[in-house]
Amino acid sequence: KAGVTQTPRYLIKTRGQQVTLSCSPISGHRSVSWYQQTPGQGLQFLFEYFSETQRNKGNFPGRFSGRQFSNSRSEMNVSTLELGDSALYLCASSLGQGPEAFFGQGTRLTVV
Amino acid sequence: AQSVTQLGSHVSVSEGALVLLRCNYSSSVPPYLFWYVQYPNQGLQLLLKYTTGATLVKGINGFEAEFKKSETSFHLTKPSAHMSDAAEYFCAVIRGGGYQKVTFGTGTKLQVIP
Repeated sequence: KAGVTQTPRYLIKTRGQQVTLSCSPISGHRSVSWYQQTPGQGLQFLFEYFSETQRNKGNFPGRFSGRQFSNSRSEMNVSTLELGDSALYLCASSLGQGPEAFFGQGTRLTVV
Repeated sequence: AQSVTQLGSHVSVSEGALVLLRCNYSSSVPPYLFWYVQYPNQGLQLLLKYTTGATLVKGINGFEAEFKKSETSFHLTKPSAHMSDAAEYFCAVIRGGGYQKVTFGTGTKLQVIP
């Protein structure tokens, strides 16, 4: 059974640009959650999608957005990148009804 | 609201010694509790979880944790540290129900000294 796949693994972008990250969940999983991990702030919840609908949202500005497709794959978009957006972005998938989730290896975003 | 406190951002133990990583939580409703491990440049791997039932939970790689409601704690232990245990460990909590919004602790980096 394939795990959670995040692409790309590494990204370098310039301030002001936008970026799209992708997450393919485990087959059969309908929930995808996104997290930002930085040395200063730790792991912070961004949002969660279930069956193409955003079900929960963390405290991030509107520059951070996401969506989920009918095949449960999810994308996260960050517009007008700032230096502080440099982080490891983690995606987790779950069935959606239970308390267990599986994480991908993350996308390391560097904003210069 | 829920929160997680991990005491000690860095813990060092000798190889073969007991590992004890502390986690205290606050939650207004019965929580689900988790421990995850993260190796450098990797995602999070679930070590163990407590949902309901037995309060002593056994996980992978010889780790276990005990849910103590009276102390609002969920400390992670391993009787004998191995070099491969060196990693960062995160305690996490969600309120009962689906995995919708999890709160992580700040993490504890475990160093194992040969």
